[in-house]
Amino acid sequence: ILNVEQSPQSLHVQEGDSTNFTCSFPSSNFYALHWYRWETAKSPEALFVMTLNGDEKKKGRISATLNTKEGYSYLYIKGSQPEDSATYLCAFWGSQGNLIFGKGTKLSVKP
Amino acid sequence: EAGVAQSPRYKIIEKRQSVAFWCNPISGHATLYWYQQILGQGPKLLIQFQNNGVVDDSQLPKDRFSAERLKGVDSTLKIQPAKLEDSAVYLCASSAGLAADNEQFFGPGTRLTVL
Repeated sequence: ILNVEQSPQSLHVQEGDSTNFTCSFPSSNFYALHWYRWETAKSPEALFVMTLNGDEKKKGRISATLNTKEGYSYLYIKGSQPEDSATYLCAFWGSQGNLIFGKGTKLSVKP
Repeated sequence: EAGVAQSPRYKIIEKRQSVAFWCNPISGHATLYWYQQILGQGPKLLIQFQNNGVVDDSQLPKDRFSAERLKGVDSTLKIQPAKLEDSAVYLCASSAGLAADNEQFFGPGTRLTVL
């Protein structure tokens, strides 16, 4: 059974704090790693799709790194803002041919 | 560009009743997915279509769930009869193709409560 683990499960930070989350996935038969942000009452929105070992992607204050050999990805948020409050999901695409999601990290940013 | 549309947004039914959800993907997207997200869990793939053909339905409980995409555009997901454990958010997503690096675009979901 393929397993995708995310930690922490939830996180409470103050506005301006920087934070990071971890996604662990199988290190074999890797095809892609997706990160999504899901705000309450909205649609999940893709942040990054990563395919290359060592890749680092950035979108504004959010960045992600990928290590396919050891099976982990980090998501970083610099200077958290209240609008960053959401659940962050990672999903692994392996030889099974579709996405397997982790349970997500729920981030709350207090003003 | 219009996003993925889903309806209804919320549905409350009693157990053993039937329910249907509708999804309209982004125009031109050949691949359509239905996911089930139970509270506290990540989304789980139920069924994946490529145009009007089923690519993967290995996790669809076929004794009570059915889905179709007859003309390769809109899709419906049906539950008949519903059980308490079917309470979840049902997400529809679409992508341009089947490749692993194709971004998936999600609808807002249908929140189903089975009493």
